[in-house]
Order: sequence, then structure tokens, then C-alpha cells
Amino acid sequence: RKEVEQDPGPFNVPEGATVAFNCTYSNSASQSFFWYRQDCRKEPKLLMSVYSSGNEDGRFTAQLNRASQYISLLIRDSKLSDSATYLCVVNAPGKLIFGQGTTLQVKP
Amino acid sequence: DTGVSQDPRHKITKRGQNVTFRCDPISEHNRLYWYRQTLGQGPEFLTYFQNEAQLEKSRLLSDRFSAERPKGSFSTLEIQRTEQGDSAMYLCASSLDTGSGGYTFGSGTRLTVV
Repeated sequence: RKEVEQDPGPFNVPEGATVAFNCTYSNSASQSFFWYRQDCRKEPKLLMSVYSSGNEDGRFTAQLNRASQYISLLIRDSKLSDSATYLCVVNAPGKLIFGQGTTLQVKP
Repeated sequence: DTGVSQDPRHKITKRGQNVTFRCDPISEHNRLYWYRQTLGQGPEFLTYFQNEAQLEKSRLLSDRFSAERPKGSFSTLEIQRTEQGDSAMYLCASSLDTGSGGYTFGSGTRLTVV
């Protein structure tokens, strides 16, 4: 079993749609959680940290369910510029573990 | 530029040749990480340094791979006797501590073994 699992997609949505990505992780001792964004042939960039109480950054909302070892990312009012791969990331001792990524394509 | 720099950006090499990549982290970051990413996959951890000490190596890092960070600043990743399966993007990242604040990645070195 992979340490971080994501549905690779792709998710194809129209502009303005709301889309949600989910991720599960296997290490119950993990303490830090993130979503990274990766554009085609570019390096991953930190999108947002994920806190236990849930957190929001503009159109983006992240949720964490420690009991179910589940992380989610909600994007409201999708823009064409949101098209990218979204990587779910969980910490392990001394390093971060990345999921496979979920690809989002926003269509006009 | 105060970000993470990697050199070269692209490398094409023949099977069996040795290659070396360089990473210059953000200067105040004491941790440096190497990851490998293939098409359709997320970055896979290879190794990391705290200052000049290499603290962990993944089982993905065979004996043909070696990484150094001699003065706790820049790092090099060498692959000896390259194989076609080594073709990938090699990403370097740095962070201040355990990565609890996330990493900053370099643009990567894309290796193609022919």
C-alpha cells in the first residue's frame, strides 16, 4: 500500500465549477500535511498547509480528518489557470511523502 | 535569485556514462532533499541532508547513486553507469527545519539516458 494515495484523475470541469480532491495516508503518526501544485514540466510549489480545524485560502479549502487519515482540497469557482496537478503531501520522520497527484483540467 | 538552483536543467547521456547534478539551496536552509519524479508519478524521496550530514537514504538509491553536501551548502548527486531506467526529473528541495513549513523546490534536472 502506498503511503499517500490519490485518485490520479484527470478531473475535467468547466470554468466556475466546484471540484474536490481526496487523499488518504497510511501513517497515523503524521503531523504535517500540505497540498502542492505542480504545473506541467515545472517543479512542485506549496499551495497550502492543512490544519486539523480546516483552513481556507481564497477559493481553496483544505480539510483534515485524522481519524480516517483523510485529507481533502476543495476548489470553488474554478479558473482556467487552476489547471495543474495537485499533490497531497504528508510528513514522515525527516522528510515529506508525496502522493501521485491528481490532474485537474478546467475547460472554458 | 534567492530560490533553489539546479544545474544543469537538462542532461542527455549515453547508457553507462556517469552524470553529476548540482543543487544550491536557499542559503539559510539547513536541510536539503533530493527527489526523483517520473511521468505521471509524484516526487519520490531519495535522500536528505541536515547541514553536511546525510541522514537518510531511500532504498531507491542504489549503489550507483551517491550524494554529497561537503560544506553544508550546495549538494551534488552523482549517478554512475547510468541505465535507461534512471531517466527522470531529479528535484532538489530545501527547508529550514523538519519541513513542517513545506519545501522550496528547484526547477529540477531532467535526465534522459539513451
